[in-house]
Formats: sequence, structure tokens, C-alpha cells
Amino acid sequence: AQSVTQLGSHVSVSEGALVLLRCNYSSSVPPYLFWYVQYPNQGLQLLLKYTTGATLVKGINGFEAEFKKSETSFHLTKPSAHMSDAAEYFCAVSDGNSGYALNFGKGTSLLVTP
Amino acid sequence: KAGVTQTPRYLIKTRGQQVTLSCSPISGHRSVSWYQQTPGQGLQFLFEYFSETQRNKGNFPGRFSGRQFSNSRSEMNVSTLELGDSALYLCASSLVGGGRSIEQFFGPGTRLTVL
Repeated sequence: AQSVTQLGSHVSVSEGALVLLRCNYSSSVPPYLFWYVQYPNQGLQLLLKYTTGATLVKGINGFEAEFKKSETSFHLTKPSAHMSDAAEYFCAVSDGNSGYALNFGKGTSLLVTP
Repeated sequence: KAGVTQTPRYLIKTRGQQVTLSCSPISGHRSVSWYQQTPGQGLQFLFEYFSETQRNKGNFPGRFSGRQFSNSRSEMNVSTLELGDSALYLCASSLVGGGRSIEQFFGPGTRLTVL
């Protein structure tokens, strides 16, 4: 079975600072990895995904993530935080052997201070 | 293209009642999945439907059920509601193609409150 662990339930950064949200996965097969963002009272929006190929994945809104198999990690980064980035971020994994089911991490709440 | 739509957006029920939630996937998407989101348990997979068949099921009691229609629209039903069923229920659709899992697109959710 596959799972993800998000380190840090709350992360606070200053506007303009680097954003780093950590995600480690566990999977017995090559995983598909995703980062989603959720704004208050809304559904989930896909930021980026890793399936195969290039390990550095670029997503929307200036976010990117790097798949590191040796570290079983898929950390999300953004060079410069914006106030509008404040939201809940979820890392998710799927192995494709269970249909399209996603296993989500507990989420990280990102606070951006002026 | 219109996104995933869910109705109703908000529901208030009392314990013991049953409830039906509806989801319309993105046009052309044939896979629909349901998730429950609560502050304590986070996001948990309920079940997935493809071509009117349940393809996968999460670890939820039999009170939770679903179905998919020939137009890919899906409903989920919760019978004998309990206070712990209060949650945001999210529906997601996927474009089924060759290969393995690809991204799911989520609707805005239905907020269910059980009193």
C-alpha cells in the first residue's frame, strides 16, 4: 500500500521568501505523485504531478517539485511567496494498481505574513 | 469545459436520516471518485466508479454506497447518518486513457452537517 507523510502541519513564511513544503512517500511500486492546493470553502486544485520522465516538475502559480527516488521525497517549492499562496496544501500518491484512488497526506497549512 | 459540479453544496440532516449527494464529472471523463474530508481524519478515499462499475472501495462501512449512471454522473448515498458523518464530501473525475493513474479534477464539495 502506498502512503505519504507531510512534515509540518503548519508552515509560516514571509512574503517574498522561499516556500518549502515537505512530502515523503511510501510505495512498493513506482508511484504517481501529486500536489493539490485547497482554498477555504473550495475543492482541491491540482498544482503539479509526477508520473514518469523528468524528475523536476513545474506546476501552476510558480510552484515546482522534485521527485527524489533515493530519498522517497517529493517536496514542493516556490522561490518567492505571495500573500495569495496562503492555503492548505496536500501531497497525494497513487500507484495505479487501485484504479484512480489517491492517498493523501494530512495537509500543510501555509501562512504568508507581510 | 465546465468543471466537476456537485449538488447540493450544503446539507443539514439529523441522525438516522439518509442522504444522497450528486456529482457531474467533466464532459468526457468516465471515472468518478468520492472522498470524505474531516478535520480529524483528513482526506479519505470512499470509492471509485468507472463505466457504471465500482472499481475500488475505501475502508468505510456499508452505510456508504454509490453508483454511476451511463452518462458518467454519480451519486453517493449515506444511510442511517451518524454525527461523525459530518464532513466535506468531494467528488473527482478522471479522463480514462491508456496507461496508469493520471490526475483527478475535484469539484467544490458538498458540506454535510449531521445534527
